[in-house]
Amino acid sequence: EVQMVESGGGLVQPGGSLRLSCAASGFTFGRDWMSWVRQAPGKGLECVANINQDGSDKYYVDSVKGRFTISRDNAKNSLYLQMNSLRAEDTAVYYCARHSRDPDDWGQGTLVTVSS
Amino acid sequence: DVVMTQSPVSLPVTLGQPASISCRSSQSLVYSGENTYLSWFQQRPGQSPRRLIYLLSNRDSGVPDRFSGSGSGTDFTLKISRVEAEDVGVYYCMQGTHWPYTFGLGTKLEIK
Repeated sequence: EVQMVESGGGLVQPGGSLRLSCAASGFTFGRDWMSWVRQAPGKGLECVANINQDGSDKYYVDSVKGRFTISRDNAKNSLYLQMNSLRAEDTAVYYCARHSRDPDDWGQGTLVTVSS
Repeated sequence: DVVMTQSPVSLPVTLGQPASISCRSSQSLVYSGENTYLSWFQQRPGQSPRRLIYLLSNRDSGVPDRFSGSGSGTDFTLKISRVEAEDVGVYYCMQGTHWPYTFGLGTKLEIK
């Protein structure tokens, strides 16, 4: 069974940093593109970043470029999102998703709240 | 960025009746002359999104056959042939052809 478990969310002040992790199991992690998708409270979905199988190709939505970094460790079956210079508008549930063009498996999400 | 315009925003439906959700993209979603990366997701209250349809019209494993996807180019439709109580939630279309991949704003299906 495919499973992805996110962790690392929490309350952070504007300008602060957080590192999200996603532990994947039930599939060959190193064979798939992976994504981070976020959902602000009561709002829709936004693709934030994605990464190819070996980590050599990364894409970011404009609103997070230069502040967020996606990475992966295939030996640990793990996906990461380093988030710096956080803003109030980054407040959201962050989901780890398998594949990027048409994400088929999603984690349960981790809530990031940016507030003073 | 590709804008995905969904309608209606709210969809009250009587149990057993059909439902239809429209999604229009601001650009063609045909990728390399072959695949159309248009997916549909269902998000039940308090849950993560669940993919229902991928590549325009392919139903995911475990998705009831009352759900179907169709369309081409820039105009797409999700149909539910007979709505059941478990179908309540928000439905999103998503394009995976042009980065950044983008979602529609959602259609909230409720039982009348």
